[in-house]
Amino acid sequence: DAKTTQPPSMDCAEGRAANLPCNHSTISGNEYVYWYRQIHSQGPQYIIHGLKNNETNEMASLIITEDRKSSTLILPHATLRDTAVYYCIVRANAGKSTFGDGTTLTVKP
Amino acid sequence: KAGVTQTPRYLIKTRGQQVTLSCSPISGHRSVSWYQQTPGQGLQFLFEYFSETQRNKGNFPGRFSGRQFSNSRSEMNVSTLELGDSALYLCASSGGLEEQFFGPGTRLTVL
Repeated sequence: DAKTTQPPSMDCAEGRAANLPCNHSTISGNEYVYWYRQIHSQGPQYIIHGLKNNETNEMASLIITEDRKSSTLILPHATLRDTAVYYCIVRANAGKSTFGDGTTLTVKP
Repeated sequence: KAGVTQTPRYLIKTRGQQVTLSCSPISGHRSVSWYQQTPGQGLQFLFEYFSETQRNKGNFPGRFSGRQFSNSRSEMNVSTLELGDSALYLCASSGGLEEQFFGPGTRLTVL
């Protein structure tokens, strides 16, 4: 699975959009981009995934660049409960995920 | 649908002992993966089972093993426990090339 690079930490004001970047320059054509988040000591929670096109669900939006070498997760209206570690993963096999260090997002009032 | 369940949630063992952790995937999911999470190493992939066969394996010593039953429930076993095996062990299930759903984890403490 391709390696990803994320900033170690970010802050966001409550109610504002949180934009979390991820670089995956070695992504292969059959690898999807997945985002998870983990709130302290709980299991990671699936957020969204995509292959080439931008995706949106009730939790977030995923913007993937045309060359697929980077992506951005957007939480449109961050709340305090969105404070967590966010992981960007690229993989072709759903059963094996290679997690990096993730980005610790802190939403501040 | 019920989520992924893991038992026990907390476990304390001593060095040299062995431990078995259990995971029940979401109904209909045939893939079960195991991960170890420690403060120093982060989330690391242990192995994946699909239809009772190990399909992928991470870089862990042979003391770590697993199996999957015909009903897709999975167990992982760690023999000859070491202090460094203290971690949160997470199980995840998947129905295909889609998202993995993680369980709450088993917190293992080795004394």
